Amino acid sequence: RKEVEQDPGPFNVPEGATVAFNCTYSNSASQSFFWYRQDCRKEPKLLMSVYSSGNEDGRFTAQLNRASQYISLLIRDSKLSDSATYLCAVNRDFGNEKLTFGTGTRLTIIP
Amino acid sequence: GAVVSQHPSRVICKSGTSVKIECRSLDFQATTMFWYRQFPKQSLMLMATSNEGSKATYEQGVEKDKFLINHASLTLSTLTVTSAHPEDSSFYICSARGSQWSPLHFGNGTRLTVT
Repeated sequence: RKEVEQDPGPFNVPEGATVAFNCTYSNSASQSFFWYRQDCRKEPKLLMSVYSSGNEDGRFTAQLNRASQYISLLIRDSKLSDSATYLCAVNRDFGNEKLTFGTGTRLTIIP
Repeated sequence: GAVVSQHPSRVICKSGTSVKIECRSLDFQATTMFWYRQFPKQSLMLMATSNEGSKATYEQGVEKDKFLINHASLTLSTLTVTSAHPEDSSFYICSARGSQWSPLHFGNGTRLTVT
């Protein structure tokens, strides 16, 4: 089983719709979780960290489910500019600085 | 603005030559930096962890003699791809973080093409 798994998509979603992605991780000792956005041929950029209590930033909401070992990202009122690949990242275990990335979920917002 | 700067952003070289990529943390000191590689339509794969003042730690399957890493200061790490071959063509990205619980910030990446 991969350390971090994501549905690669693609997700083709009409503008204005709500879309959600999940990302599962295999190591229960993981402590830090992040969502990154990567545009074509560019470096990943941090979208948001994921906290145990869940967190929201505008149209974006991230959740952590430790029992089922997954994190989720919800995008409301999607915009054309949200089209990108969304990568989840998880640290390998407690005290380990290394992040392992999922393969990414490709999202295309359709006008 | 960018907190991690990477140079060059693009390089084309001939097979057999070496290429050096620089990664600088701009707003913070980074005792640890990470080098990733990304092939088309694949995820980022960690190549090595660069440690200031000591030897880099390489991931399994990454040749340390081919990918030389030097972390000479708290703000600079370099990756040298030695005797590059076409299969080394990829997107190389460095990253750094201020503390072990803060998110990684990435450089803008270096697209290497070996002809």
